[in-house]
Amino acid sequence: EVQLVESGGGLVKPGGSLRLSCAASGFTFSSYSMNWVRQAPGKGLEWVSSISSSSSYIYYADSVKGRFTISRDNAKNSLYLQMNSLRAEDTAVYYCARGRRGGNYYFDYWGQGTLVTVSS
Amino acid sequence: DIQMTQSPSSLSASVGDRVTITCQASQDISNYLNWYQQKPGKAPKLLIYDASNLETGVPSRFSGSGSGTDFTFTISSLQPEDIATYYCQQYDNLLLTFGPGTKVDIK
Repeated sequence: EVQLVESGGGLVKPGGSLRLSCAASGFTFSSYSMNWVRQAPGKGLEWVSSISSSSSYIYYADSVKGRFTISRDNAKNSLYLQMNSLRAEDTAVYYCARGRRGGNYYFDYWGQGTLVTVSS
Repeated sequence: DIQMTQSPSSLSASVGDRVTITCQASQDISNYLNWYQQKPGKAPKLLIYDASNLETGVPSRFSGSGSGTDFTFTISSLQPEDIATYYCQQYDNLLLTFGPGTKVDIK
């Protein structure tokens, strides 16, 4: 059974940093691209970042480019999101999601999410 | 960047009703359109990929159609467990965008 478990969320002050983790199990982690998707309270879904299976390709939404860094450790079956210079508008539940691609690209498994609150 | 619109933003229907949600892309995205269901307090769940392919394990009352810029998601017979918000999502040129969502309620 595919499982994705996020951790690392919490309360942080504006301008602060936080590192999210996602522990994967139940599939060959090193064969899949991975993603972070967030959802602000009461709002819709927003794609944040993607990383290819070997970390060769990395993409970010414009809203986080230059502040967030996605990475992975295939030996540990883990995905990470380093978030710096946090702003109030980064407050959201952050989901880890597995990517599946052909010509299309979509998210076939999701974690339960971890809440990040940016507030003074 | 490609923008996605969904309509309606919310709807109420009776159990057994046919429910239809539309999603429109600002540019041609071929069939690179996917649909998710999100129940309150839960993570999203993939229902439909490539505009019309049903994800494994998803009930057959859910279906999708369309290509280019106009897409449709249908629940053929609404069930109480289908209460959720439904999102479309597109993939184009290494960017991924979700629609604003459609909240479905039981009347």
